[in-house]
Amino acid sequence: EVQVMQSGAEVKKPGESLKISCKASGYNFTNYWIGWVRQMPGKGLEWMGLIYPGDSDTRYSPSFRGQVTISADKSISTAYLQWSSVKASDTAIYFCARGASGYIFDYWGQGTLITVYS
Amino acid sequence: QSLLIQPPSASGTPGQRVTISCSGSSSNIGRSTVNWYQQFPGTAPKLLIYSNDQRPSGVPDRFSGSKSGTSASLAISGLQSEDEADYYCASWEDRHNGEVIFGGGTKLAVL
Repeated sequence: EVQVMQSGAEVKKPGESLKISCKASGYNFTNYWIGWVRQMPGKGLEWMGLIYPGDSDTRYSPSFRGQVTISADKSISTAYLQWSSVKASDTAIYFCARGASGYIFDYWGQGTLITVYS
Repeated sequence: QSLLIQPPSASGTPGQRVTISCSGSSSNIGRSTVNWYQQFPGTAPKLLIYSNDQRPSGVPDRFSGSKSGTSASLAISGLQSEDEADYYCASWEDRHNGEVIFGGGTKLAVL
């Protein structure tokens, strides 16, 4: 059974660093993309980027390039989304999802709520 | 403003057929396939339709998708109260070295 499990909610202060995780199981992690999607409070879905764990090929949305870093450790079937310095505007729910054929997100994690406030 | 335009809201009564539109351009829907996602409040999105008109296993055949030119549609027949949710279309945008784009979402109310 395919499962995608995300790390738990985080509360951070502006300027702090943050790394959240997305652990996949039930399939060959290296053969599918992992995508990250942001959903700000009361708003729609925004695509942030994709990583192909097999060769670490990474694509970013122009809106998020330089703001976050996407990585993956195929030895533990886990993808990551990280910030070097969070801002209040990063407060949102972040979803990861398995990407079949790139952008068909067929299995989703439960979401990680990030709250940034001073 | 998303590159994929959806109506912010739609509604129908139980048993009715409703459609939700997704309007794009030649650089996205015009050259790529469209996927649809369903999201209930407080939960993760769920893949509803992929590759324009394909249903994943377990999705009722009341849900159907279509694409024509630079637009796509999601149709829900035999509307049920449990279909009340947010619906998002998504496609691939060929500009800027390529990116996934989502529509702004449509909130469906079952009256």
